[in-house]
Amino acid sequence: QQQVKQSPQSLIVQKGGIPIINCAYENTAFDYFPWYQQFPGKGPALLIAIRPDVSEKKEGRFTISFNKSAKQFSLHIMDSQPGDSATYFCAASIDRGSTLGRLYFGRGTQLTVWP
Amino acid sequence: DAGVIQSPRHEVTEMGQEVTLRCKPISGHNSLFWYRQTMMRGLELLIYFNNNVPIDDSGMPEDRFSAKMPNASFSTLKIQPSEPRDSAVYFCASSFFGAMGYTGELFFGEGSRLTVL
Repeated sequence: QQQVKQSPQSLIVQKGGIPIINCAYENTAFDYFPWYQQFPGKGPALLIAIRPDVSEKKEGRFTISFNKSAKQFSLHIMDSQPGDSATYFCAASIDRGSTLGRLYFGRGTQLTVWP
Repeated sequence: DAGVIQSPRHEVTEMGQEVTLRCKPISGHNSLFWYRQTMMRGLELLIYFNNNVPIDDSGMPEDRFSAKMPNASFSTLKIQPSEPRDSAVYFCASSFFGAMGYTGELFFGEGSRLTVL
């Protein structure tokens, strides 16, 4: 059973566009929501993360929007560039107890940014 | 600083053979994770260790899979006997959890691509 559902599976945008990737979860105990970026042939790397005490977090061109009541969060990439072409994974975890550190990943979104 | 180091980067083997994947986590990290990535199933957590102790191995698909972490600087994932459906990229990741406890950044290795013929 997928704990974190991610959509779309793939996304193609023009340079300068604003791709949006969405994730939803059911477990209200989740309290940490990171996004990881993966380039071909490499392992995923942390891009940006948010905790549920804020509704938005911005780092450079990347923004996470978080809606606690809807149990949804999304990644927005402003002014997207061809170098942003990668696979993006959302994830969630419970920051306490025996499951500390156990991340539940979404299935990933393959983003292509055309020049 | 050296990141998470995995070996081999590529492995091609025949069905029935034993496969051993190796991982050296980042020095000072106290948690280690083994993931498997396929197109069909995405990133799956196989097992993870805290302070060298296995915490959750519910993701290990079958008894053919086993993992060990004999010390803080080394872990292995073994598949015996291997099957074609085990073909995937296997990632090792490490992280540090302090006394207060929080989900820190996971640092992934570059993966071991396994092909079982």
